[in-house]
Amino acid sequence: NAGVTQTPKFQVLKTGQSMTLQCAQDMNHNSMYWYRQDPGMGLRLIYYSASEGTTDKGEVPNGYNVSRLNKREFSLRLESAAPSQTSVYFCASSYWTSGTYNEQFFGPGTRLTVL
Amino acid sequence: AQSVTQPDIHITVSEGASLELRCNYSYGATPYLFWYVQSPGQGLQLLLKYFSGDTLVQGIKGFEAEFKRSQSSFNLRKPSVHWSDAAEYFCAVVLTSGTYKYIFGTGTRLKVLA
Repeated sequence: NAGVTQTPKFQVLKTGQSMTLQCAQDMNHNSMYWYRQDPGMGLRLIYYSASEGTTDKGEVPNGYNVSRLNKREFSLRLESAAPSQTSVYFCASSYWTSGTYNEQFFGPGTRLTVL
Repeated sequence: AQSVTQPDIHITVSEGASLELRCNYSYGATPYLFWYVQSPGQGLQLLLKYFSGDTLVQGIKGFEAEFKRSQSSFNLRKPSVHWSDAAEYFCAVVLTSGTYKYIFGTGTRLKVLA
């Protein structure tokens, strides 16, 4: 069991470039999440997918798009990177059933710098 | 609005001393609460969780937390801190309204003095 994997681990972009962050989980979880972490601001939710086939905006969705490719994979795309998107990005997943909730499992993160 | 507050941004304790990290939540329904730890350059790891039942929950690495509904608090404690506990700690709540969203506090960074 690899858990939650993210690629790449590090990335440097120039302003205006695009890129996709990949996330995969092998725990058969139904919900997946993308967060960004900035100093002093904790984790802020960008987008999430409560189940395969659905995606919803979180707290800071502007400048990002997501795709829930299948149950395992959830990608985050920056169409035109801006310096304000310099951050550490975490993918997470969790499992829920009707009326029950569980903890999230996190990937190791992607450190993105936009010049 | 739902929120999680961790009032202490930084805490410094000596090795062997006791530790308490504060967490307050604002959520109308029954909360499902979590504490996570993040070591430098790593992802978040679950320390413990509260869903229902006994209000004192035990976690990994010798941590425990107490849920107090009257105070809307879920404070994390450890009787004797080890140097390896230096990390950032996050409190979180999951919204049980069917949205499956998690709300995190801004974190408390723990420094341990030898």
